[in-house]
Amino acid sequence: ILNVEQSPQSLHVQEGDSTNFTCSFPSSNFYALHWYRWETAKSPEALFVMTLNGDEKKKGRISATLNTKEGYSYLYIKGSQPEDSATYLCASTRYNTDKLIFGTGTRLQVFP
Amino acid sequence: NAGVTQTPKFQVLKTGQSMTLQCAQDMNHNSMYWYRQDPGMGLRLIYYSASEGTTDKGEVPNGYNVSRLNKREFSLRLESAAPSQTSVYFCASNFQGSNTGELFFGEGSRLTVL
Repeated sequence: ILNVEQSPQSLHVQEGDSTNFTCSFPSSNFYALHWYRWETAKSPEALFVMTLNGDEKKKGRISATLNTKEGYSYLYIKGSQPEDSATYLCASTRYNTDKLIFGTGTRLQVFP
Repeated sequence: NAGVTQTPKFQVLKTGQSMTLQCAQDMNHNSMYWYRQDPGMGLRLIYYSASEGTTDKGEVPNGYNVSRLNKREFSLRLESAAPSQTSVYFCASNFQGSNTGELFFGEGSRLTVL
């Protein structure tokens, strides 16, 4: 079973601050890394799926990087807004398996 | 386009009762998953199905059975519910092998076992 870990567990920032979270995963037989945004009382929604070492993806003020050799990914939020408050989940999968294993998430709260 | 539909949304059971959670997707996805969400534990994989007719155990399969009835439907059964199975259950699907492979989730089913 994959062990996907995220840090920090929770984060409180002021509106306008930039922030970042870490996701670490086993690098052997790595296939894909997913990031999801999960608002309270809703279902998780995909932000990025990344597969290649050195990948960088961006969606508005949110971006992510991937290092498959050392087994980590960073998610960055530039100029945080209150509507960015959510739990951010990462998940990883390996070759020859469809098991997508999630970390426990980073809960972000952005205060006005 | 409904996406991923789960039923029921809420259910209260007594210890020892059985029930089935239903999940259907209309996106022609080949892979389907059942996760449970508990406070502080994130999403834990119970079972998944890579394609019609195949199922595999995830991280926490004990106490559950699944059926991939056809490409659209993937059900989760609790044969004898226990209080430890009180949780929110999410069904998800994706198209493995695509460039994205992102998961699409249902709205969740909140189960309480007394």
